[in-house]
Amino acid sequence: EVQLVESGGGLAQPGGSLRLSCAASGFSFSTYPMIWVRQAPGRGLEWVAYISTRFSIIHYADSVKGRFTISSDNAKTSLFLQVNSLRDEDTAVYYCARVWQGNSGVDYWGQGTLVTVSS
Amino acid sequence: DIVMTQTPLSSPVTLGQPASISCRSSQSLVFSDGNTYLSWLQQRPGQPPRLLIYKISNRFSGVPDRFSGSGAGTDFTLKISRVEAEDVGVYYCMQATQFPYTFGQGTKLEIK
Repeated sequence: EVQLVESGGGLAQPGGSLRLSCAASGFSFSTYPMIWVRQAPGRGLEWVAYISTRFSIIHYADSVKGRFTISSDNAKTSLFLQVNSLRDEDTAVYYCARVWQGNSGVDYWGQGTLVTVSS
Repeated sequence: DIVMTQTPLSSPVTLGQPASISCRSSQSLVFSDGNTYLSWLQQRPGQPPRLLIYKISNRFSGVPDRFSGSGAGTDFTLKISRVEAEDVGVYYCMQATQFPYTFGQGTKLEIK
Protein backbone atom coordinates (compact mmCIF):
# COMPACT_ATOMS: atom_id res chain seq x y z
CA GLU A 1 0.00 0.00 0.00
CA VAL A 2 1.35 3.40 -0.99
CA GLN A 3 1.73 5.73 1.99
CA LEU A 4 3.01 9.29 2.23
CA VAL A 5 3.36 10.81 5.68
CA GLU A 6 4.42 14.42 6.10
CA SER A 7 5.98 15.95 9.20
CA GLY A 8 7.94 19.00 10.25
CA GLY A 9 5.28 21.66 10.08
CA GLY A 10 4.63 24.09 12.87
CA LEU A 11 4.77 27.73 13.88
CA ALA A 12 7.59 29.84 12.50
CA GLN A 13 8.32 33.54 12.61
CA PRO A 14 8.56 35.63 9.47
CA GLY A 15 12.05 35.15 8.10
CA GLY A 16 12.35 31.81 9.84
CA SER A 17 12.94 28.31 8.52
CA LEU A 18 11.48 24.83 8.71
CA ARG A 19 12.35 21.48 7.18
CA LEU A 20 9.37 19.47 5.98
CA SER A 21 9.69 15.72 5.52
CA CYS A 22 7.61 13.14 3.71
CA ALA A 23 8.16 9.47 4.49
CA ALA A 24 7.19 7.29 1.55
CA SER A 25 6.47 3.57 1.55
CA GLY A 26 4.80 0.89 -0.53
CA PHE A 27 6.38 1.75 -3.88
CA SER A 28 9.72 2.11 -5.64
CA PHE A 29 10.41 5.64 -4.41
CA SER A 30 13.42 6.38 -6.59
CA THR A 31 11.53 5.79 -9.84
CA TYR A 32 8.72 8.31 -9.31
CA PRO A 33 8.83 12.09 -9.51
CA MET A 34 7.48 13.74 -6.39
CA ILE A 35 5.97 17.15 -5.73
CA TRP A 36 4.99 19.49 -2.94
CA VAL A 37 1.64 21.25 -3.17
CA ARG A 38 0.32 23.73 -0.64
CA GLN A 39 -3.09 25.01 0.33
CA ALA A 40 -3.55 28.22 2.27
CA PRO A 41 -6.47 28.21 4.74
CA GLY A 42 -9.73 28.26 2.83
CA ARG A 43 -7.94 28.57 -0.50
CA GLY A 44 -7.16 26.41 -3.51
CA LEU A 45 -4.20 24.24 -4.41
CA GLU A 46 -0.83 25.70 -5.37
CA TRP A 47 2.00 23.61 -6.79
CA VAL A 48 5.30 24.41 -5.03
CA ALA A 49 8.11 22.15 -6.28
CA TYR A 50 8.91 19.04 -8.33
CA ILE A 51 11.77 16.57 -8.21
CA SER A 52 12.73 13.63 -10.39
CA THR A 53 15.87 12.01 -9.03
CA ARG A 54 15.77 9.52 -11.89
CA PHE A 55 16.27 12.28 -14.44
CA SER A 56 17.91 14.89 -12.17
CA ILE A 57 15.14 17.43 -12.72
CA ILE A 58 13.98 20.04 -10.21
CA HIS A 59 11.44 22.82 -10.71
CA TYR A 60 10.04 25.49 -8.38
CA ALA A 61 7.12 27.86 -8.41
CA ASP A 62 8.25 31.45 -8.85
CA SER A 63 6.69 32.31 -5.49
CA VAL A 64 9.20 30.10 -3.63
CA LYS A 65 12.23 30.09 -5.93
CA GLY A 66 15.40 30.99 -4.03
CA ARG A 67 13.74 30.39 -0.66
CA PHE A 68 12.62 26.74 -0.77
CA THR A 69 14.71 23.69 -1.63
CA ILE A 70 13.30 20.29 -2.57
CA SER A 71 15.41 17.18 -2.09
CA SER A 72 15.05 13.48 -1.56
CA ASP A 73 16.91 10.58 0.01
CA ASN A 74 16.28 7.39 -1.93
CA ALA A 75 17.90 5.23 0.73
CA LYS A 76 15.47 6.59 3.32
CA THR A 77 12.61 6.82 0.78
CA SER A 78 11.97 10.35 1.98
CA LEU A 79 11.17 13.67 0.36
CA PHE A 80 12.11 16.98 1.92
CA LEU A 81 11.29 20.65 1.56
CA GLN A 82 13.58 23.15 3.22
CA VAL A 83 11.60 26.36 3.62
CA ASN A 84 13.61 29.50 4.40
CA SER A 85 12.88 33.23 4.61
CA LEU A 86 9.27 32.43 5.48
CA ARG A 87 6.56 34.97 4.78
CA ASP A 88 3.02 35.31 6.08
CA GLU A 89 1.73 34.12 2.71
CA ASP A 90 3.57 30.80 3.10
CA THR A 91 1.06 29.80 5.77
CA ALA A 92 -0.58 26.68 4.38
CA VAL A 93 -0.99 22.94 4.59
CA TYR A 94 1.86 21.38 2.65
CA TYR A 95 1.15 18.11 0.88
CA CYS A 96 3.67 15.76 -0.65
CA ALA A 97 2.38 13.75 -3.59
CA ARG A 98 3.51 11.24 -6.17
CA VAL A 99 3.53 11.96 -9.88
CA TRP A 100 2.36 8.95 -11.86
CA GLN A 101 3.04 7.71 -15.39
CA GLY A 102 5.15 10.62 -16.53
CA ASN A 103 2.89 13.61 -15.96
CA SER A 104 -0.39 11.72 -16.26
CA GLY A 105 -1.58 12.60 -12.80
CA VAL A 106 -0.78 13.02 -9.14
CA ASP A 107 -2.06 9.75 -7.82
CA TYR A 108 -1.16 9.58 -4.12
CA TRP A 109 -1.19 12.38 -1.57
CA GLY A 110 -0.17 12.61 2.04
CA GLN A 111 -2.42 14.04 4.72
CA GLY A 112 -0.41 17.25 4.83
CA THR A 113 1.53 19.22 7.43
CA LEU A 114 0.51 22.72 8.53
CA VAL A 115 3.01 25.56 8.40
CA THR A 116 1.96 28.73 10.18
CA VAL A 117 4.05 31.85 9.76
CA SER A 118 3.31 34.43 12.41
CA SER A 119 5.11 36.70 14.82
CA ASP B 1 2.26 30.22 -16.91
CA ILE B 2 -0.86 28.35 -18.05
CA VAL B 3 -3.95 29.74 -16.36
CA MET B 4 -6.73 27.28 -15.60
CA THR B 5 -10.22 28.74 -15.31
CA GLN B 6 -13.08 26.69 -13.88
CA THR B 7 -16.80 27.36 -14.10
CA PRO B 8 -18.94 27.42 -12.11
CA LEU B 9 -17.15 28.10 -8.83
CA SER B 10 -20.11 26.75 -6.92
CA SER B 11 -22.60 24.09 -7.99
CA PRO B 12 -25.65 23.23 -5.89
CA VAL B 13 -27.02 19.93 -7.14
CA THR B 14 -29.95 17.72 -6.20
CA LEU B 15 -29.06 14.16 -5.22
CA GLY B 16 -29.40 11.83 -8.17
CA GLN B 17 -29.11 14.65 -10.69
CA PRO B 18 -26.16 15.25 -13.02
CA ALA B 19 -23.42 17.83 -12.49
CA SER B 20 -20.93 19.33 -14.89
CA ILE B 21 -17.79 21.40 -14.33
CA SER B 22 -15.86 23.17 -17.06
CA CYS B 23 -12.17 23.95 -17.15
CA ARG B 24 -10.48 26.13 -19.72
CA SER B 25 -6.73 26.55 -20.13
CA SER B 26 -5.05 29.70 -21.42
CA GLN B 27 -3.13 27.65 -23.97
CA SER B 28 -3.25 24.19 -25.47
CA LEU B 29 -2.41 21.37 -23.08
CA VAL B 30 -1.21 19.02 -25.81
CA PHE B 31 2.35 17.97 -24.97
CA SER B 32 5.04 17.23 -27.54
CA ASP B 33 4.43 13.48 -27.07
CA GLY B 34 0.82 13.92 -28.19
CA ASN B 35 -0.66 13.43 -24.73
CA THR B 36 -2.77 16.01 -22.92
CA TYR B 37 -1.89 16.13 -19.25
CA LEU B 38 -5.18 17.38 -17.84
CA SER B 39 -6.47 15.73 -14.71
CA TRP B 40 -9.34 16.21 -12.28
CA LEU B 41 -9.07 15.94 -8.51
CA GLN B 42 -11.66 15.78 -5.78
CA GLN B 43 -11.08 17.17 -2.32
CA ARG B 44 -13.61 16.16 0.28
CA PRO B 45 -13.88 18.33 3.41
CA GLY B 46 -10.86 17.85 5.66
CA GLN B 47 -9.17 15.46 3.25
CA PRO B 48 -6.24 15.68 0.85
CA PRO B 49 -7.01 15.77 -2.86
CA ARG B 50 -7.78 12.53 -4.67
CA LEU B 51 -7.11 11.78 -8.34
CA LEU B 52 -10.31 11.09 -10.28
CA ILE B 53 -9.47 11.49 -13.97
CA TYR B 54 -6.14 11.62 -15.79
CA LYS B 55 -5.23 12.52 -19.38
CA ILE B 56 -8.65 14.11 -19.97
CA SER B 57 -10.88 11.06 -19.79
CA ASN B 58 -9.24 8.12 -17.99
CA ARG B 59 -10.77 7.16 -14.66
CA PHE B 60 -8.21 6.39 -11.99
CA SER B 61 -8.35 3.10 -10.13
CA GLY B 62 -11.37 2.81 -7.86
CA VAL B 63 -13.19 5.86 -9.22
CA PRO B 64 -16.91 5.19 -9.80
CA ASP B 65 -18.06 5.17 -13.41
CA ARG B 66 -20.52 8.00 -12.74
CA PHE B 67 -17.47 10.27 -13.13
CA SER B 68 -16.36 11.02 -16.68
CA GLY B 69 -14.04 13.48 -18.35
CA SER B 70 -13.98 14.88 -21.85
CA GLY B 71 -12.51 17.66 -23.94
CA ALA B 72 -9.50 18.57 -26.01
CA GLY B 73 -6.96 21.32 -26.52
CA THR B 74 -8.05 24.05 -24.13
CA ASP B 75 -11.58 23.06 -23.09
CA PHE B 76 -12.38 20.25 -20.70
CA THR B 77 -15.35 18.99 -18.75
CA LEU B 78 -15.91 16.78 -15.73
CA LYS B 79 -19.35 15.20 -15.48
CA ILE B 80 -21.02 13.33 -12.69
CA SER B 81 -23.95 11.39 -14.07
CA ARG B 82 -25.89 11.08 -10.79
CA VAL B 83 -24.61 12.99 -7.79
CA GLU B 84 -24.36 11.11 -4.52
CA ALA B 85 -23.90 12.53 -1.03
CA GLU B 86 -20.26 11.39 -0.92
CA ASP B 87 -19.46 13.59 -3.95
CA VAL B 88 -19.67 16.76 -1.86
CA GLY B 89 -16.39 18.63 -1.94
CA VAL B 90 -14.22 20.80 -4.13
CA TYR B 91 -13.16 19.72 -7.60
CA TYR B 92 -9.98 20.94 -9.27
CA CYS B 93 -8.65 20.62 -12.77
CA MET B 94 -4.89 20.51 -13.03
CA GLN B 95 -2.47 20.71 -15.93
CA ALA B 96 0.91 18.97 -15.92
CA THR B 97 1.80 19.65 -19.55
CA GLN B 98 4.11 22.51 -18.67
CA PHE B 99 5.91 23.78 -15.58
CA PRO B 100 4.68 25.31 -13.38
CA TYR B 101 1.88 22.81 -12.81
CA THR B 102 -1.28 24.85 -12.34
CA PHE B 103 -4.72 24.24 -10.88
CA GLY B 104 -8.10 25.71 -11.49
CA GLN B 105 -9.62 27.79 -8.69
CA GLY B 106 -11.80 24.88 -7.60
CA THR B 107 -15.53 24.22 -7.90
CA LYS B 108 -17.49 23.59 -4.74
CA LEU B 109 -20.11 20.89 -5.22
CA GLU B 110 -22.87 20.97 -2.66
CA ILE B 111 -26.22 19.32 -2.25
CA LYS B 112 -29.35 21.45 -2.58
